Parts: sequence; structure tokens; C-alpha cells
Amino acid sequence: DAGVIQSPRHEVTEMGQEVTLRCKPISGHNSLFWYRQTMMRGLELLIYFNNNVPIDDSGMPEDRFSAKMPNASFSTLKIQPSEPRDSAVYFCASSWGPSGGKVTQYFGPGTRLTVL
Amino acid sequence: DQQVKQNSPSLSVQEGRISILNCDYTNSMFDYFLWYKKYPAEGPTFLISISSIKDKNEDGRFTVFLNKSAKHLSLHIVPSQPGDSAVYFCGGAGSYQLTFGKGTKLSVIP
Repeated sequence: DAGVIQSPRHEVTEMGQEVTLRCKPISGHNSLFWYRQTMMRGLELLIYFNNNVPIDDSGMPEDRFSAKMPNASFSTLKIQPSEPRDSAVYFCASSWGPSGGKVTQYFGPGTRLTVL
Repeated sequence: DQQVKQNSPSLSVQEGRISILNCDYTNSMFDYFLWYKKYPAEGPTFLISISSIKDKNEDGRFTVFLNKSAKHLSLHIVPSQPGDSAVYFCGGAGSYQLTFGKGTKLSVIP
């Protein structure tokens, strides 16, 4: 298995632009997580999907952020409009099992976002 | 409100010696605790976990200790190897999600 795939690996954009990050989870996994890593806040959960349904989006910082999972093999995280404080590494992770496979999650390589 | 705290941003250890990484938590509802390891330009990978009803779990060179009364978790690596140099995230597992600390960067010096 190729593992969790994220694209792009790096994104540089200007303030105000729309940014879309993409994730392909491991086949057969039923839970998908989006995380953001910053120096100040560490690794924080943004949103959790189970069987393609958003279960908890309380970590999404504001309305500028939105996430979708149209099917079991694809998810997007969109920021519109982007701001410099959104600069971070964004990780997608997937897992399988009861309780969302909460202990063992498989992370993608991340997307490093820089908003100028 | 940080539910998981790793108070040491970095740690340097000589190769062959013991590395001890510490973690404190505030959420009594966590039923599992875990450590993930992260190399540069890669995503975190699962390392080891422990159930909240246990006080020790061992996997090769890695041992995690849990002190529930002190709400304290530690990871011991013995002996430390240069390949262990990475950022280590401590985490707690609630009903369905993981809550991570900010990470500790371990450098193992040859």
C-alpha cells in the first residue's frame, strides 16, 4: 500500500487566495483526520470524518476553513481566503477500527503551506 | 487549555545512553496514551501506546510508563541510537481522537 497520499507537498500563495489541500487515505480505512502543525500550537486536530461523514469539526479555526470527504478515497481541506497566520504544515491521517481507530493513525507526509 | 504538555522542547543524549522523554496531561478521560515519532519532511508514525489501566508497556528498546496519580507519562529509550533522533509527540486518546503535545526534539549524539 502506498500509504496516505497528500498533495501538494508544498504550497506558496498570497494572502487572500484560495488554497485546496488534498488527501487520499489508505484503502479500507474508515476514519480520516486533518491536523495542523505549528510551532506555537504543536499538532492540533482540525476535523475528523468517520465513514465519510464529518463527526467533529470543532478544531477548525474559523469559517475560512472547510473540509469535505465526497467518498472513501478522497478528502479536501480548503482555506478561503488564506491569511499569513494559516502558514503551517497540514497533515492528513487515516485509520481503521472501532472508536475511529483512535490510537494507531497513519499520517501522510504533510503539505507545507506558506501564505505571503 | 493544553490537555497534553511536553515541557522540554529538546533533549540531547549520547549514543548508548538512556533517553527519557516526559509528558503531563490534564484530561482524566483519556483511556489510552501514546507516543508518535516524526522525522523531518515526514508525517508522524505510531511508536508505542499504553492503556490507562496499566502502568508500563515495553516494546524492544522503548518503554512507556504511566503514573495516573501524577498524570504523568514518560518514554524511555534504551540504548539510544542516532536513528532515534526525531521529534517525539506524546498524546492522549479520548472517545475517538488523539490530543497531542507540542513535541520534544531528541538528538542522539554519536
